Amino acid sequence: GDSVTQTEGPVTVSESESLIINCTYSATSIAYPNLFWYVRYPGEGLQLLLKVITAGQKGSSRGFEATYNKETTSFHLQKASVQESDSAVYYCALDLPGTGSNRLTFGKGTKFSLIP
Amino acid sequence: AQTIHQWPVAEIKAVGSPLSLGCTIKGKSSPNLYWYWQATGGTLQQLFYSITVGQVESVVQLNLSASRPKDDQFILSTEKLLLSHSGFYLCAWSLQANYAEQFFGPGTRLTVL
Repeated sequence: GDSVTQTEGPVTVSESESLIINCTYSATSIAYPNLFWYVRYPGEGLQLLLKVITAGQKGSSRGFEATYNKETTSFHLQKASVQESDSAVYYCALDLPGTGSNRLTFGKGTKFSLIP
Repeated sequence: AQTIHQWPVAEIKAVGSPLSLGCTIKGKSSPNLYWYWQATGGTLQQLFYSITVGQVESVVQLNLSASRPKDDQFILSTEKLLLSHSGFYLCAWSLQANYAEQFFGPGTRLTVL
């Protein structure tokens, strides 16, 4: 079946340092799934951070970027300089266009926080 | 603006007891609706989806059922809870389109003892 594997957390870095959360996917029924990063900030609901539906394209939001790489089946999330407000749980996800269910397949989530 | 409300916020139930979780979406007509579940330490997975009133499709079999009695309401239920039903339940909605962003509710934490 389809699956998403992401960096196992928790991940901690110092303020202003760079962050990368790895995500690789396996989509057995379709070559080019849609790819997403969702985020859950403390005390808030799960929300979309960015999405890319075309292989080779890059998505960006709130200083984060992720590039859809079909050769390596990856969609790593990066930010050049993190701050306290980025502390959250990040989820990589995919869905299969045209299946009708808009069924998101999620990774397990990666908790990120700043080194105090 | 659209809002999504889930109830209850948290629930502690006994094995074998019934369960009903609810979700209401305001400010959007004819949305797609979804139920997701995440066991502790597990992966968030879709359980059900609905594209219209009275029509619900099951994605994963967990001895749960879902219904959509109104355009803006989605109910998850079972007559007999199992220990394995414990976890975090999320309701979500989206527009009826491919690649549509899904908007999630705050969730319900269920503990089955």
